[in-house]
Amino acid sequence: DAKTTQPPSMDCAEGRAANLPCNHSTISGNEYVYWYRQIHSQGPQYIIHGLKNNETNEMASLIITEDRKSSTLILPHATLRDTAVYYCIVRAKYGNKLVFGAGTILRVKS
Amino acid sequence: KAGVTQTPRYLIKTRGQQVTLSCSPISGHRSVSWYQQTPGQGLQFLFEYFSETQRNKGNFPGRFSGRQFSNSRSEMNVSTLELGDSALYLCASSLVARQGSYEQYFGPGTRLTVT
Repeated sequence: DAKTTQPPSMDCAEGRAANLPCNHSTISGNEYVYWYRQIHSQGPQYIIHGLKNNETNEMASLIITEDRKSSTLILPHATLRDTAVYYCIVRAKYGNKLVFGAGTILRVKS
Repeated sequence: KAGVTQTPRYLIKTRGQQVTLSCSPISGHRSVSWYQQTPGQGLQFLFEYFSETQRNKGNFPGRFSGRQFSNSRSEMNVSTLELGDSALYLCASSLVARQGSYEQYFGPGTRLTVT
């Protein structure tokens, strides 16, 4: 079973920041938080991951709370092409098994 | 750098037949994982191969099998197809290092329809 909880859907206005929350209250010390997204009928796309520090790359920022029980993915300036299902995944340091939950459907509207 | 490629992209088979799907990982990636995506069950992990060895397996029946070749290319096979095997089959590749795992990159998937 997935170890994360996400809202089923969210809306965001084009050009505004999209903040996608994720709860992972049972995360253990050696587990990372990963974010992927899937645009309709395509393969999931890696976005970002982190352990305990905030992370930023060209796509997004990841904010992890100090107790590591929740995190927020931030898309700073959402565009229509960011409409997708966003998956928050808790993953062990070793091993390549990803356990996907239902994810959050993000709809970016003009 | 070329991404993960999967062939064929679309496939229609009849119940009882078998099917083989192919995945070519990103150059230099030695780990290949397979996932099944259906509307009802979502994305589910099938198995992972590294250095031609299966090192992790999901909760699927023995009809689902795979292998990896010395060039890291992988195939998965489904025998005795059932209607419920209709799905998008996704392959993902990643680097592997002793200090931990890297992010996985997914291919576009093979859409299998069983009639």
